[in-house]
Amino acid sequence: NAGVTQTPKFRVLKTGQSMTLLCAQDMNHEYMYWYRQDPGMGLRLIHYSVGEGTTAKGEVPDGYNVSRLKKQNFLLGLESAAPSQTSVYFCASKYTAGGEDLGVPEQFFGPGTRLTVL
Amino acid sequence: AQSVTQLGSHVSVSEGALVLLRCNYSSSVPPYLFWYVQYPNQGLQLLLKYTSAATLVKGINGFEAEFKKSETSFHLTKPSAHMSDAAEYFCAVGSGGYNKLIFGAGTRLAVHP
Repeated sequence: NAGVTQTPKFRVLKTGQSMTLLCAQDMNHEYMYWYRQDPGMGLRLIHYSVGEGTTAKGEVPDGYNVSRLKKQNFLLGLESAAPSQTSVYFCASKYTAGGEDLGVPEQFFGPGTRLTVL
Repeated sequence: AQSVTQLGSHVSVSEGALVLLRCNYSSSVPPYLFWYVQYPNQGLQLLLKYTSAATLVKGINGFEAEFKKSETSFHLTKPSAHMSDAAEYFCAVGSGGYNKLIFGAGTRLAVHP
């Protein structure tokens, strides 16, 4: 199992350019998440999805769009990049707890994408 | 609303010394709490999680954490630090039916000889 993978690993954009970050998981997880990590601020949730075809806003959704056309993939798009979007982006996934015996599932994280917007 | 506070953005210890990383949370419902570790240029890896089964939780790499409801704390400890423990540590609380995580700002642990 590759777990959670992210492409690309690094990217440099100019202000106003667009791009899409791809997250893929091979664990058949229902839930997927996009976070951004900035120094001194921990991880903040951008958008998340509770299943194929569904998405929801997180804490900092402005300037981003997402799509979950396939269960294993979760795409994060920046339509018009701004320097404030310079960050490290992490994708995560988790399965849905099926009862008390399964406990509380944790989120599994990808290796991250370092994005710089000039 | 739930929130997490990690006291101390940087902690430095000697190799072999006790590691104590502090985490306090606020939650209006019984919380689900997690500690993650991030090594340089890597993603986050789960260290341990509290799910109400036991107040003292043991995790990987010799770490453990104790849930104290009266203090709303979930501090992370390790009896003897190793050089390989140098990393950033994040405390998180499950929110919204634990489908979402609220992270603290992180504590960077340095271990010196």
